[in-house]
Amino acid sequence: DSGVTQTPKHLITATGQRVTLRCSPRSGDLSVYWYQQSLDQGLQFLIQYYNGEERAKGNILERFSAQQFPDLHSELNLSSLELGDSALYFCASSSGREGGTDTQYFGPGTRLTVL
Amino acid sequence: GEDVEQSLFLSVREGDSSVINCTYTDSSSTYLYWYKQEPGAGLQLLTYIFSNMDMKQDQRLTVLLNKKDKHLSLRIADTQTGDSAIYFCAERRSSASKIIFGSGTRLSIRP
Repeated sequence: DSGVTQTPKHLITATGQRVTLRCSPRSGDLSVYWYQQSLDQGLQFLIQYYNGEERAKGNILERFSAQQFPDLHSELNLSSLELGDSALYFCASSSGREGGTDTQYFGPGTRLTVL
Repeated sequence: GEDVEQSLFLSVREGDSSVINCTYTDSSSTYLYWYKQEPGAGLQLLTYIFSNMDMKQDQRLTVLLNKKDKHLSLRIADTQTGDSAIYFCAERRSSASKIIFGSGTRLSIRP
């Protein structure tokens, strides 16, 4: 158990809908990362937050957005869903401190199926 | 480019050693990581190596780093069926806080 929790575990929805994925980082970690893992594209970095502020952005679509709240949990919002958005969405957390390994610890993921 | 490259598949016999290879592009990488992903699960950190090290050993795992060639390998001794998983190589660069992941190597074990 990495200490990172994600809900829900599974989500099935229809095209055009909007969903929210939730992540709670490990105790003490200030950074949260979101990744998308699909069969044909491997693990894609989406976005990182550090202590409530956006720190780095990857291949995140405009239809997707994220935020990190004062209690450090994070939400990833996916809207106008398309079939191709079906994937595993992982959250990871790290201390966010410079100068160290800043190892990322991954949650169990949310499997999103868009029908 | 940003690529961290790995071969997609590796098949080894149970009890043999597995060697999973990875190449990266940025010589400023500070830490290099190996993660394991079992079916239906998230990524689990296996080990990491700092860029000023050549080798790191942890029980059945040996990480070798050739900084000149930007080549990283993970050797699993006495491979067991429980080692079946996808193994991801990742690098962290000094100039960035994000980590770049390879595409993963699927390790399968045959009896």
